[in-house]
Amino acid sequence: EIVLTQSPGTLSLSPGERATLSCRASQSVTDNSLAWYQQKPGQAPRLLISAASRRATGIPDRFSGSGSGTDFTLTISRLEPEDFVVYYCQQYSSSPRTFGQGTKVEIK
Amino acid sequence: QVQLQESGPGLVKPSETLSLTCTVSGHSISGYSWSWVRQPPGKGLEWIGYIYYTGSTNYNPSLKSRVTMSLDTSKNQLSLKLTSVTAADTAVYYCARGHWDLNTWGQGTLVTVSS
Repeated sequence: EIVLTQSPGTLSLSPGERATLSCRASQSVTDNSLAWYQQKPGQAPRLLISAASRRATGIPDRFSGSGSGTDFTLTISRLEPEDFVVYYCQQYSSSPRTFGQGTKVEIK
Repeated sequence: QVQLQESGPGLVKPSETLSLTCTVSGHSISGYSWSWVRQPPGKGLEWIGYIYYTGSTNYNPSLKSRVTMSLDTSKNQLSLKLTSVTAADTAVYYCARGHWDLNTWGQGTLVTVSS
């Protein structure tokens, strides 16, 4: 099973700042089979990024993904007020599919 | 536009079977794969498994002995059964489209296991 470790657990930033979220895998994620999700309180997760760097339909271009192998990053270039929520990474390189434990982006 | 809606009992007794249905609208379930994911209150996401439109399945080994997923193409629905539940199975249960990235999710339904 691939274990995904997200860091930091909580990221304290101000609106307009840049956010960098990390997702590290316990073994290589083949074919960049990694997705990022955003989850707002009381809502289902929403797909932001697939294949490590491909923005999903309707996702603003301030969200970008990068990385390969075992190290992946989600970057939010300029934080908007609605971006202060929780983010999860997920690998679909192998079964069982696994999620990271989440990073909460909070207002500083 | 595809929409997913989970339904089922919100309260299940320990040792009994949790049964949920996901109704898909706006798109046929045929030709796609469908996943179930759960989230205990205040915690992270756990993948339960997925089912192809052919009916073949892939379950999380941690739940495999207790999980059954199925499709009803006539009703455009998928279902989840989890047997011998305990308090640890209390969670919001989501259905979602896909078995790689999950691009469309239902709103989720909270299932509480309690006597």
